[in-house]
Amino acid sequence: GAVVSQHPSRVICKSGTSVKIECRSLDFQATTMFWYRQFPKQSLMLMATSNEGSKATYEQGVEKDKFLINHASLTLSTLTVTSAHPEDSSFYICSARSQTGSYEQYFGPGTRLTVT
Amino acid sequence: GDSVTQMEGPVTLSEEAFLTINCTYTATGYPSLFWYVQYPGEGLQLLLKATKADDKGSNKGFEATYRKETTSFHLEKGSVQVSDSAVYFCALSEKGGSEKLVFGKGTKLTVNP
Repeated sequence: GAVVSQHPSRVICKSGTSVKIECRSLDFQATTMFWYRQFPKQSLMLMATSNEGSKATYEQGVEKDKFLINHASLTLSTLTVTSAHPEDSSFYICSARSQTGSYEQYFGPGTRLTVT
Repeated sequence: GDSVTQMEGPVTLSEEAFLTINCTYTATGYPSLFWYVQYPGEGLQLLLKATKADDKGSNKGFEATYRKETTSFHLEKGSVQVSDSAVYFCALSEKGGSEKLVFGKGTKLTVNP
């Protein structure tokens, strides 16, 4: 089946620094990737839709200057949390949409970000 | 806006017990409905889906029927196994799953031998 990886799986950073999270589709090409955020005991909330070669589309209330998304190739999208603060600590999950068949979304295992 | 409400967990069952996880939704249109499963340390995986009213999705012994009249998509399995222990998410999409997914909060299931 289609596999999506995320790196790193866990990251701890200091307040004020920036952190980059990678999302890769390993065995298929994805023109569209999605970034979600999950708080403890809460549902996944879509942050933005990332399209290869164009600007990401952000959901209402998500700061585009804080959460920078780059989708430079058909297999890689990155999320950079800039000037991170403790309230940015969360579980970030990406998904990649297949270009063929049912256009199903395949999910990565997630990245746990802790800002101290 | 669209929303999904699913029963809160955690749910703990003995092996071979019957499982039901309730899910109801609110949507403006005619959404597609999904159940995703997340095993420990892994990403979400699509378990089953239904794209229109009265459709039944099924996979690995799990079933869910799209009930438009009750706006529900309850997940059932007749006999759970220890390997079914995971977190289950109900979700909807207005465009057949290729666009924005709206998730419920997830229900953690633990099956004891």
